[in-house]
Amino acid sequence: DIQLTQSPSFLSAFVGDRVTITCRASQGISNYLAWYQQKPGKAPKLLIYAASTLQSGVPSRFSGSGSGTEFTLTISSLQPEDFASYYCQQVNSFPLTFGGGTKVEIK
Amino acid sequence: EVQLVESGGGLVQPGGSLRLSCAASGFICSRFQMTWVRQAPGKGLEWVANIKQDGSETYYVDSVKGRFTISRDNAENSLYLQMHSLRAEDTAVYYCARGRWSGASYCFDSWGQGSLVTVSS
Repeated sequence: DIQLTQSPSFLSAFVGDRVTITCRASQGISNYLAWYQQKPGKAPKLLIYAASTLQSGVPSRFSGSGSGTEFTLTISSLQPEDFASYYCQQVNSFPLTFGGGTKVEIK
Repeated sequence: EVQLVESGGGLVQPGGSLRLSCAASGFICSRFQMTWVRQAPGKGLEWVANIKQDGSETYYVDSVKGRFTISRDNAENSLYLQMHSLRAEDTAVYYCARGRWSGASYCFDSWGQGSLVTVSS
């Protein structure tokens, strides 16, 4: 099974900060990676697929990059509505797996 | 508008069974793979099972193989998860989601609101 390691697991930031979350895969997965945002008590929401393609309707301050085993999700200027948990997911092979998550909180 | 609505969750004793349903609307269900993802209280997301458009292929996480069965009824725009031999560690909110192929990549682009399954005596 492919393991995904997200870092950090928790981060505290100010509104307006640039935030970067890293996801490392235990083996190469090309660009078969998606990113999701989840707010408390709500279902996850797709942000990015194919490692770097922004889902329709998602603000352009979100961006994804990477290929192979290392990936990043960047929020260029953190907004109040971005405080949430973020998960990466590999879709290279079954079983599909998620990273452990990154909780972004207000500093 | 794409909508996915889960139902069938509840409290069940260890060793018991439960069937979750997911009613889909706003899209042609038969054109999409479908999946179940769960989230234990206070924990992260865990993919559970996936089914192809015509139901010909199914995939499961190891921890549920032999106990859970994913199925679908495209005529009814519905997805199911039959769960047997339930354990305390199966306690979670279960989400159904639509799988979408975009180019060469796959993702879950629409999610239901979730259905809570609690396994406890």
